[in-house]
Formats: sequence, C-alpha cells, structure tokens
Amino acid sequence: ETGVTQTPRHLVMGMTNKKSLKCEQHLGHNAMYWYKQSAKKPLELMFVYNFKEQTENNSVPSRFSPECPNSSHLFLHLHTLQPEDSALYLCASSQRDLRGAHTGELFFGEGSRLTVL
Amino acid sequence: QKEVEQDPGPLSVPEGAIVSLNCTYSNSAFQYFMWYRQYSRKGPELLMYTYSSGNKEDGRFTAQVDKSSKYISLFIRDSQPSDSATYLCAMSGGSNYKLTFGKGTLLTVNP
Repeated sequence: ETGVTQTPRHLVMGMTNKKSLKCEQHLGHNAMYWYKQSAKKPLELMFVYNFKEQTENNSVPSRFSPECPNSSHLFLHLHTLQPEDSALYLCASSQRDLRGAHTGELFFGEGSRLTVL
Repeated sequence: QKEVEQDPGPLSVPEGAIVSLNCTYSNSAFQYFMWYRQYSRKGPELLMYTYSSGNKEDGRFTAQVDKSSKYISLFIRDSQPSDSATYLCAMSGGSNYKLTFGKGTLLTVNP
C-alpha cells in the first residue's frame, strides 16, 4: 500500500446509524486531516491532528467524532447524521515541523462518499 | 467578501487550446499559493506550488502570482484530454499555515 488509503469508498447510512470512516497513511507523515467536500463549495477543513494531538476543530458538530490512535491512522466516527452531511469526506496527511508549520502540500486519499438517507 | 474566489466553470476547450484558470483572494497575509488537480472520483493532488509573487513553470503548466492584485493564475499550454479535471486553488499564510481553498474549476478538454 502506498500514499493515503481510505475505507470504505462508499457508504450509505440512515440517520440513526453509527458508522466509521478509516484512513491510513503510508508516507511517514506526522499530521493528518479530515476535510469535507460538497458540490459547489470549497473544501472545508474539519479536524487536524498534529503528532497525534488534535490541534484544530473547525466548529464541527458533535455527531462527527475523530480519533487518531497513532500518526498513521485516523478515524471519523459518525452517528445520528443529517441528510445535509452527505458529501465526500477526504483524509489527508502532511509533514509538519516542530512548530507545527508545513509547506502546504497535502497528500489526499481518494475519499469516502457518504450518503445519509 | 469570500477569502478566495474561483469561477467554478464548467470550462470546455478543444484539445491543444491554452487554458487560463484564475483565483482572487482578499487576505494579504497569504504567501504560499498552490494548485491542486482532482480527477473524477479521486482525491486532489498537488500540481503547482509557488511562494510569494512570480512565475513558476513545469512542463505545460505555468503558475503566476500577483500579490499586488491578489490574483493567481494557472496556464495550461497544448491542453490534452487527460487534463480534464477539477482544478482547485489553495493558499496559506500567517502562523497557522491553514490552507484556504477555492471552489474549484471543472475543466473538460475535448479531443
């Protein structure tokens, strides 16, 4: 496996279901991200983990719960979602320095297409 | 005013055409400017990266940054059907290096 892999690629769930998205990076990076991509909207940053610690939560509703057990794995736990949460969820990784700075180059996975009925 | 404005298109051109994609921005703290390419059903991949003002060329692709006008461009020469994708501009600056993306422009190059 190379790069950033995300599973599942497609997920359909009801509003009362609980599911999880998984991301794994094989690049040796120390920062991982969740982004939401909706039609006709810019990529929205949801969460940032830097050296396994959450450093950013962009006012994301609590029905989205991230988990980063180590620097290579990232999860997004989903529960009681709404239809407007249907979107492509992208995981990314990057290499940051000790100050938390990075060049801006993100390596993205192929995304998990989520449909909430 | 949105931080980054990008015309979503769609833009359709014949093979061999010169393509110009643009973004404007309002935050003067932005210093790092990127173009990502996203093929259908794939994640974005970094295509071009520039720091501050100036031009950068890589094969058929040229990125331009004009910080005085807060305007960035991506030119594609001799466009190919394989260039058909969504092109996202992104920029960052300041202490947190957080990336701000445009909405993306959908480009189709017709054979």
